Amino acid sequence: GAVVSQHPSRVICKSGTSVKIECRSLDFQATTMFWYRQFPKKSLMLMATSNEGSKATYEQGVEKDKFLINHASLTLSTLTVTSAHPEDSSFYICSAGGLTGRDSPLHFGNGTRLTVT
Amino acid sequence: AQTVTQSQPEMSVQEAETVTLSCTYDTSENNYYLFWYKQPPSRQMILVIRQEAYKQQNATENRFSVNFQKAAKSFSLKISDSQLGDTAMYFCAFMVNNAGNMLTFGGGTRLMVKP
Repeated sequence: GAVVSQHPSRVICKSGTSVKIECRSLDFQATTMFWYRQFPKKSLMLMATSNEGSKATYEQGVEKDKFLINHASLTLSTLTVTSAHPEDSSFYICSAGGLTGRDSPLHFGNGTRLTVT
Repeated sequence: AQTVTQSQPEMSVQEAETVTLSCTYDTSENNYYLFWYKQPPSRQMILVIRQEAYKQQNATENRFSVNFQKAAKSFSLKISDSQLGDTAMYFCAFMVNNAGNMLTFGGGTRLMVKP
């Protein structure tokens, strides 16, 4: 079946540095990718929708200058947390979908646990 | 806008017993999909079951089945013969067809299966 690879699975960085998280669709073309943030014991909160070749659409309250999203190809989207602060520590998950819900559910990456010290 | 509500933050069930997780949603759309995802401690999101709104027949996947009540906007998940490996967070999710595959999640239900 379709697989989405997310890397890294865990990252620790110092305050003020930037971290890049990659999300790759391995065997299908993902025209749309989604980035979620999940706090402990909470649901997934959609941060932004990433469309190949165009600017990402950010949800209300998400700082686009802090969470930079690039979707340069049909198989890769990246989320860069810029000037990270401890409050950015969280679990980030990407998902990818290339077909309608009829044909394929969204496929999720395994997530990235970010810890900012 | 769509909303998804899971009214049970936590539930527990004895191994081999049956448990039902509740989910209600609100939408003005008529063509949509509903999903249940499982998130075990590994945090991987695993699709459990999917229901197309245009289908009246309730979806089933082995020990998992749903009770889809479109008029009531209800979509509950029944887990039969619960197993220890079913212990996880369960999320109900909604997706409008042909709207870019964007999921709206409920708040989740933490299920504990007890031996």
